Amino acid sequence: DTAVSQTPKYLVTQMGNDKSIKCEQNLGHDTMYWYKQDSKKFLKIMFSYNNKELIINETVPNRFSPKSPDKAHLNLHINSLELGDSAVYFCASSQAGEQFFGPGTRLTVL
Amino acid sequence: RKEVEQDPGPFNVPEGATVAFNCTYSNSASQSFFWYRQDCRKEPKLLMSVYSSGNEDGRFTAQLNRASQYISLLIRDSKLSDSATYLCVVNIAGNDMRFGAGTRLTVKP
Repeated sequence: DTAVSQTPKYLVTQMGNDKSIKCEQNLGHDTMYWYKQDSKKFLKIMFSYNNKELIINETVPNRFSPKSPDKAHLNLHINSLELGDSAVYFCASSQAGEQFFGPGTRLTVL
Repeated sequence: RKEVEQDPGPFNVPEGATVAFNCTYSNSASQSFFWYRQDCRKEPKLLMSVYSSGNEDGRFTAQLNRASQYISLLIRDSKLSDSATYLCVVNIAGNDMRFGAGTRLTVKP
């Protein structure tokens, strides 16, 4: 049983395309996150949702739009992809401090 | 100043060595602290939480100094399997978690 799952695992696409990454957690946690890990391996918070409500929105271009249809799901839609969007995107969920991460989605924009 | 700063390493140590990592944070109102471990091309996983009184889990000891805004992780009797990147994580408020850039450790036979 995977606690936090993401799809797809790999995503290769052309500049200018629109793509989505899906995340699901079966831990019953209230809080979910999206993080971006760039080529320098720095993990940076992008968004956080608590019970389907957006509570953290870091300085992220508005081409990135998170959507939480229910508290077990947090999807990330990216419009007009740019070369600099290439990174690994991690979804995570948490309750009382500890965060559980998904396996990551490696996005490559050509 | 970065919110969470770590020495990126790499630290290359022989098996059995003791190694210490340090981390400093800038927000004095930070509420909780953690060490995570990330293996190559994998997701981060919680190694241990860091408590004010210091805490130990087997070969791993974590310490927090709130006055100096400093966290440490000590690994004793290093094993080959300890090779990974160690991430210092600070909860600055609510659910807002900030990660350090990580310290890479390689344990050699």
